[in-house]
Amino acid sequence: EAGVAQSPRYKIIEKRQSVAFWCNPISGHATLYWYQQILGQGPKLLIQFQNNGVVDDSQLPKDRFSAERLKGVDSTLKIQPAKLEDSAVYLCASSFDSGEQYFGPGTRLTVT
Amino acid sequence: GDSVTQMEGPVTLSEEAFLTINCTYTATGYPSLFWYVQYPGEGLQLLLKATKADDKGSNKGFEATYRKETTSFHLEKGSVQVSDSAVYFCALLRNTGGFKTIFGAGTRLFVKA
Repeated sequence: EAGVAQSPRYKIIEKRQSVAFWCNPISGHATLYWYQQILGQGPKLLIQFQNNGVVDDSQLPKDRFSAERLKGVDSTLKIQPAKLEDSAVYLCASSFDSGEQYFGPGTRLTVT
Repeated sequence: GDSVTQMEGPVTLSEEAFLTINCTYTATGYPSLFWYVQYPGEGLQLLLKATKADDKGSNKGFEATYRKETTSFHLEKGSVQVSDSAVYFCALLRNTGGFKTIFGAGTRLFVKA
């Protein structure tokens, strides 16, 4: 069974630029999550989708972050404009219905 | 609100030593509890889980018991290996109509040969 795929693996941008991350969850998983993991901290949930609807985006900085999950499969997370404090690893995860999550390898973002 | 507290790292052990990483939680209701492991450069992987009080999760020699009376889920392994070096995250899962997972800050483990 293929795991959660993410791209790119690494990205370096300057502040005020925009960036987008892509995630392909495990086939059949209805729930998709985006997390931000700052160095030395645990993952923080940014947004959670159930199929293509948003379940929880309470911690998403909506003035600069956006996410979509068209057709209830792939998802993209965008940051525009980026700030220095957005430097982190962005993790995508998916789950079927038990709540047990499967994580992708993450995208390491560096904002200079 | 719900939260997870883990012992601070890093934890440095010699190979074959006994490992304990403490985890306590605060939650309403009856959450499920998890340990995830993150190897360098990789995403998190589920290590073990327990879904109700007194359940013991186990995998790859690691164990943790869901203790409701002490709100704890401590991770243990009898004999660690160099390959166990990683960051370990304790997490709880509550069903709020869509399942929400709350992670601890993580504990880094270094195992020396």
